[in-house]
Amino acid sequence: QQQVKQSPQSLIVQKGGIPIINCAYENTAFDYFPWYQQFPGKGPALLIAIRPDVSEKKEGRFTISFNKSAKQFSLHIMDSQPGDSATYFCAPGAGMRFGAGTRLTVKP
Amino acid sequence: ETGVTQSPTHLIKTRGQQVTLRCSSQSGHNTVSWYQQALGQGPQFIFQYYREEENGRGNFPPRFSGLQFPNYSSELNVNALELDDSALYLCASSLPRQGDEKLFFGSGTQLSVL
Repeated sequence: QQQVKQSPQSLIVQKGGIPIINCAYENTAFDYFPWYQQFPGKGPALLIAIRPDVSEKKEGRFTISFNKSAKQFSLHIMDSQPGDSATYFCAPGAGMRFGAGTRLTVKP
Repeated sequence: ETGVTQSPTHLIKTRGQQVTLRCSSQSGHNTVSWYQQALGQGPQFIFQYYREEENGRGNFPPRFSGLQFPNYSSELNVNALELDDSALYLCASSLPRQGDEKLFFGSGTQLSVL
């Protein structure tokens, strides 16, 4: 089975810190690399996504870094806020494989 | 908020019973995917429907079945419920054949099997 490995499992940072969440995948045919954000009691919502033709994409405080040769991509949250406290999932490809999730807590 | 709605929001069943969960997709989205999310886990892909046909299935037994209707709404049916079926069931709509793999999720149905 194709694996998707997400790390860390949980992360606690202070307000203003830069949490980094990583995702490793195996299937080299993937051409869509998204991160989803989920709050308690809600379904996941797309946060940011990247195609393999670029190595980095920024949207506001959120940045994806993509390393095709290492088969990894990462989410960076700049100037993190308590409202960013949520669970984050990577889901490379068309959504048939999600990572196990990273529970982020941003302390005020 | 997405345009994806799921019903009911909560459901309690007993082991051995059958359950039907419903999903209305975002307007114009012809593809619906269903997921099972256990507490503290990532969503697990159950199956996907495109224009009323099953278009991919995850590692779930045949007692998990589905339907998609001409208006692209969908149902997930689970027969012979087991205790381990207790989870949040999510549906998501998308337009992958139009080059847009973005998934729009509903808020889910929380199923408890006693």
